[in-house]
Amino acid sequence: EPEVTQTPSHQVTQMGQEVILRCVPISNHLYFYWYRQILGQKVEFLVSFYNNEISEKSEIFDDQFSVERPDGSNFTLKIRSTKLEDSAMYFCASSEKVGLRFTGNTIYFGEGSWLTVV
Amino acid sequence: DQQVKQNSPSLSVQEGRISILNCDYTNSMFDYFLWYKKYPAEGPTFLISISSIKDKNEDGRFTVFLNKSAKHLSLHIVPSQPGDSAVYFCAASFSGSARQLTFGSGTQLTVLP
Repeated sequence: EPEVTQTPSHQVTQMGQEVILRCVPISNHLYFYWYRQILGQKVEFLVSFYNNEISEKSEIFDDQFSVERPDGSNFTLKIRSTKLEDSAMYFCASSEKVGLRFTGNTIYFGEGSWLTVV
Repeated sequence: DQQVKQNSPSLSVQEGRISILNCDYTNSMFDYFLWYKKYPAEGPTFLISISSIKDKNEDGRFTVFLNKSAKHLSLHIVPSQPGDSAVYFCAASFSGSARQLTFGSGTQLTVLP
């Protein structure tokens, strides 16, 4: 079964350092997402990406965050200067199409990258 | 901003019995709802979904019921199996912004053998 893959599975970084989290979405999917889950809290939407540009972003996704699709397969999340409160599990996700309501489309998640900022 | 709420943080059920997980939402613009299952240190796995034009959707042991007037949905698992033990997240989206999901806080289901 096709799956979303993420690397690294776990990264420890010092506060203020830049971090890049990588994702390989499912190959025929066109829409890509990053979500995060701070320990003990809800899974929260960060950003969606389509056609090489951001479609939507949440208030969490401030200027410290950026996303990129550097080639035909990878989708990356960069945090420019990490803060302690960025410690979380970051989930990449992808979907085939936009529009969930009538199409039976759904969003598939990777296993997550656990980021610890110290 | 608790647009999607799962008021029960945990639920324990005997193997073979029915598990009922509940979810409430406040935003009437939501028109598509999904249930995800999550094991520790893994990503959410899609289970079942329902559009607001339906009130029930069934897939094997899993059935989702939607009560639009009450802004309530539930996931029924029958019969429950020990392998069903996981955190279950309710999520909602709306057509105007179908690209993102709003998640509930999750319910830890434990199925006892």
